Amino acid sequence: SQKIEQNSEALNIQEGKTATLTCNYTNYSPAYLQWYRQDPGRGPVFLLLIRENEKEKRKERLKVTFDTTLKQSLFHITASQPADSATYLCALDSLGAGNNRKLIWGLGTSLAVNP
Amino acid sequence: SAVISQKPSRDICQRGTSLTIQCQVDSQVTMMFWYRQQPGQSLTLIATANQGSEATYESGFVIDKFPISRPNLTFSTLTVSNLSPEDSSIYLCSAGDNEQFFGPGTRLTVL
Repeated sequence: SQKIEQNSEALNIQEGKTATLTCNYTNYSPAYLQWYRQDPGRGPVFLLLIRENEKEKRKERLKVTFDTTLKQSLFHITASQPADSATYLCALDSLGAGNNRKLIWGLGTSLAVNP
Repeated sequence: SAVISQKPSRDICQRGTSLTIQCQVDSQVTMMFWYRQQPGQSLTLIATANQGSEATYESGFVIDKFPISRPNLTFSTLTVSNLSPEDSSIYLCSAGDNEQFFGPGTRLTVL
């Protein structure tokens, strides 16, 4: 069955450093992959989408890579700030009921940026 | 992007009752979805809310337990019926074709 794995252990880094989060998947080939941020008590917030034919995508301090051979995406936050502390979720597109496209989600990785 | 509101934000319900959650989008959208997020588990899609037709339910979710309405392109409701403590969870509404925009969620506790 389709499976998504994200680092289950919380990531603690020092302010100003680069945070790197990993998303690995097995048993399928998504057309695109997305990263979201979720703060406690709130819904996920969309950050970036990268398609299968794209190797890398950037948005301000964020960078996402997508390696369809390794079946892995890396999510980088450069010059990290305490405000970046949150849980980051990886989601991949798949086919759901009725052949509707749907997202399959990882458990998320908790990031804490220490001042 | 879309701004999504949900209500109620939280509720405590008795076993055997039902709770209806409302989701309002600030613009017309084609796709609306309902998710469940339980502690220690990933976001799980319950169903896709289709405008003008019956919702499409994912494996493990049935209409009798989770009836959904979608009367127009900006509004949907999810009812969680015949509540049991196992239904205690956060329920999230989202909208969007590729990237999805989420509401703040409804925290349901069943006693």
